Amino acid sequence: AQKVTQAQTEISVVEKEDVTLDCVYETRDTTYYLFWYKQPPSGELVFLIRRNSFDEQNEISGRYSWNFQKSTSSFNFTITASQVVDSAVYFCALSEARHNTDKLIFGTGTRLQVFP
Amino acid sequence: GAVVSQHPSWVICKSGTSVKIECRSLDFQATTMFWYRQFPKQSLMLMATSNEGSKATYEQGVEKDKFLINHASLTLSTLTVTSAHPEDSSFYICSARPGQGYQPQHFGDGTRLSIL
Repeated sequence: AQKVTQAQTEISVVEKEDVTLDCVYETRDTTYYLFWYKQPPSGELVFLIRRNSFDEQNEISGRYSWNFQKSTSSFNFTITASQVVDSAVYFCALSEARHNTDKLIFGTGTRLQVFP
Repeated sequence: GAVVSQHPSWVICKSGTSVKIECRSLDFQATTMFWYRQFPKQSLMLMATSNEGSKATYEQGVEKDKFLINHASLTLSTLTVTSAHPEDSSFYICSARPGQGYQPQHFGDGTRLSIL
């Protein structure tokens, strides 16, 4: 069965601190996709990144970086030098590629609060 | 690009009424759209997958007669909550996937539904 676990329910940091949001997934498929979405207080979901299961290269985009490790089934997300605007709920999600469907299985989310 | 518009953003209505929520892909065609529900401080749960020109595929436990989905064109899917009751109060959010293949889903801004 597919499952996404975000063990950290809530994280509070002070501005400029680095913070890592953990994501562990379970799937029986060899081909799958992993995502991170940001949900600010206004409610909309903002797409941050998608990775396919064959690409384990880490990725950096500005202050954001992602560490994908198949050996531990983890896809962790790090924000460097956090800012107040980073405060949001962050969701990790999994999509399996079989059956030509891309249903997203979401984790329970991690609420990040960045204090000035 | 890849903008998804959802309307209305907020609905308050009396118990027993039906509520229609629209999801439009503004700058792309979406053969597949997805409807999610999110209870306060919880994750997004997929309700159904909406395919243009065919019947929606509902997730287990979602009443198809309660949540009517119509995907009549490549840019519009609607979700109608029939005979809504207070327990249907939730945040409903749609997503659309551009084109074929595994493009990431792009989400609308969501609809907050409050049934009195």
